[in-house]
Formats: sequence, structure tokens, C-alpha cells
Amino acid sequence: GDSVTQMEGPVTLSEEAFLTINCTYTATGYPSLFWYVQYPGEGLQLLLKATKADDKGSNKGFEATYRKETTSFHLEKGSVQVSDSAVYFCALIRSRGSASKIIFGSGTRLSIRP
Amino acid sequence: EAGVTQFPSHSVIEKGQTVTLRCDPISGHDNLYWYRRVMGKEIKFLLHFVKESKQDESGMPNNRFLAERTGGTYSTLKVQPAELEDSGVYFCASSPNSGQGTYEQYFGPGTRLTVT
Repeated sequence: GDSVTQMEGPVTLSEEAFLTINCTYTATGYPSLFWYVQYPGEGLQLLLKATKADDKGSNKGFEATYRKETTSFHLEKGSVQVSDSAVYFCALIRSRGSASKIIFGSGTRLSIRP
Repeated sequence: EAGVTQFPSHSVIEKGQTVTLRCDPISGHDNLYWYRRVMGKEIKFLLHFVKESKQDESGMPNNRFLAERTGGTYSTLKVQPAELEDSGVYFCASSPNSGQGTYEQYFGPGTRLTVT
């Protein structure tokens, strides 16, 4: 079945460091891909998405490119801030007819030191 | 526009008791989903409503879980009787338009359930 694998955390970086969180997926066809973020004490928020191969999703300085050949959707940011500390979830959406569900990775906790 | 709301934010119950979680989706959203994250693992799909109908309940773990969405507005998820392994965070999400499976799902803040 469909699945998402992302790098395990926690990840701790210093402010202004470069961030990469790896994500790969297994799925039939070409699902839409997402990164969700959960800030402390808050719910899940969509960070960015890509709906087809070679699409690049971007938001708040974060980027991820849908790579069909490597079945990957790695999250990157050039210079992280303390406010980026959160749990990040890579995900895909599987739709069949009118039914749909999101399949999530296990989450990566990111902590940024000032 | 109000987002997805969930109640309660945290519930602590003893094994064998019953708990009911509530989700109010964004007004006008036909699609309502339940997910849960257990023991810091991945967030797993439980079920999907389109209006008041269960479109997909393949993720419901067993018959101790009962989800309803009477009238196609808010939804409840009842766990009866609760077991220790039911502890986790239960998320609700909603999305607009029936039949549009790739629409973004908007998530609520979650209900943290602790079974002791």
C-alpha cells in the first residue's frame, strides 16, 4: 500500500543553518504531496504542496520539489529561525472516486537554537 | 471564517470508560475526516464522511470506535470502552466540495486523549 517515510528526529540546528528533512514515498500513480507543520500547542497546518512531477511547493522560505524519478519530496530552507521549531509531517493524498485520505509520515521534530 | 474546532482539547479517562470527541468542521465543508496519532507515531486515517454518509471507514481500528455525523454538520467520535492503547491525539479535518478528493484538508487543533 501507499506509504511515506521521512527522516527521524529530533533535528536540532542553530539559527540561520540550512535545513533538509528527507521524505520519500511509495504510491501507485501520481499522488499530490504535502508538508504539514504543527507548531507547539497548535493544530496541523499545511506548509506547502505539489500536485505533479517537477512541481516546486514553497511557503515561508521553505521549498520542496516533487521528484518522480526518486519518489522524493525533501523539505529545505536556506536559513532557519527559532520560530521554525515545530514538528514537520510529509504526506500524500490518496483519492479513489469521492473518497480520499491523507497518508502521513511519522513526523520530524525540529528544534532551532538561538 | 472560523476554522475546524474540536472539543475537548484534552481528556483523561480510566480504562473501560466511555469518551466522546466532537468536531465542528468549517461551515459549508461537505467532507469531514478523523485521524489519530498514537504514541508519537505517524498520523493515521480513521474515516471520511461526505455530508452525513461514511465514505471510507477503513481506518477505524475496531468496533469500540463509533463515528457519527448526523445532519452532515458536526461529528462525534465515541470510544467505548476505552483501552490504554487508545491514548493519543485525535485530529479532525474538513475540506470543501463532495467528490473533489484532492482539495486541501484543514485540520483542527486535536483532542489529546489519555487513558489510564
